[in-house]
Amino acid sequence: AQTVTQSQPEMSVQEAETVTLSCTYDTSESDYYLFWYKQPPSRQMILVIRQEAYKQQNATENRFSVNFQKAAKSFSLKISDSQLGDAAMYFCACLLAGGTSYGKLTFGQGTILTVHP
Amino acid sequence: NAGVTQTPKFRILKIGQSMTLQCTQDMNHNYMYWYRQDPGMGLKLIYYSVGAGITDKGEVPNGYNVSRSTTEDFPLRLELAAPSQTSVYFCASSYGMYLAFFGQGTRLTVV
Repeated sequence: AQTVTQSQPEMSVQEAETVTLSCTYDTSESDYYLFWYKQPPSRQMILVIRQEAYKQQNATENRFSVNFQKAAKSFSLKISDSQLGDAAMYFCACLLAGGTSYGKLTFGQGTILTVHP
Repeated sequence: NAGVTQTPKFRILKIGQSMTLQCTQDMNHNYMYWYRQDPGMGLKLIYYSVGAGITDKGEVPNGYNVSRSTTEDFPLRLELAAPSQTSVYFCASSYGMYLAFFGQGTRLTVV
């Protein structure tokens, strides 16, 4: 079974500082994609960053970057120069690209990020 | 281009009633999903579909049914509503292995 685990229910960071959100996943498939989504109080789901499992290079998107450790099945999100607008719930997700469950997109439990001015 | 449209936005059901949550996307996406999100919790996959005529169970399918007769529509059916189905429901769609577009959510309360 495919599982995604976020072990940090809540995190906080000072404005302009750096914070790292943790995520581990488990799948027997070798072909998959990993995502981080942001959900502000509006409930809208916003894609933050995407990583292809076959790529060794860590994805970056402006102030957001990931540390993808395939062997450890770890996919953490680093937010640099944190801004007040980064405050939200963050979800890690895994999308299977092969096997009998291809197309299955599973989310973690979420991490609430608070940014202090 | 409307994206993913969910209706209704809010609904109150009595125990034992039935209803269908509608989801339509106009992006010709092949993958569609239904999730539920309980307060302060993550998204749990109910059902998903990788194309018209194909549906599969997710993590929490009990009490729900889906169909995918067209590429655009992926309705979610609740047959006998129970208080445990009180939640916010999200529909999402994607084209292949890229970005999933989400609807605005449906807040359902079963009393």
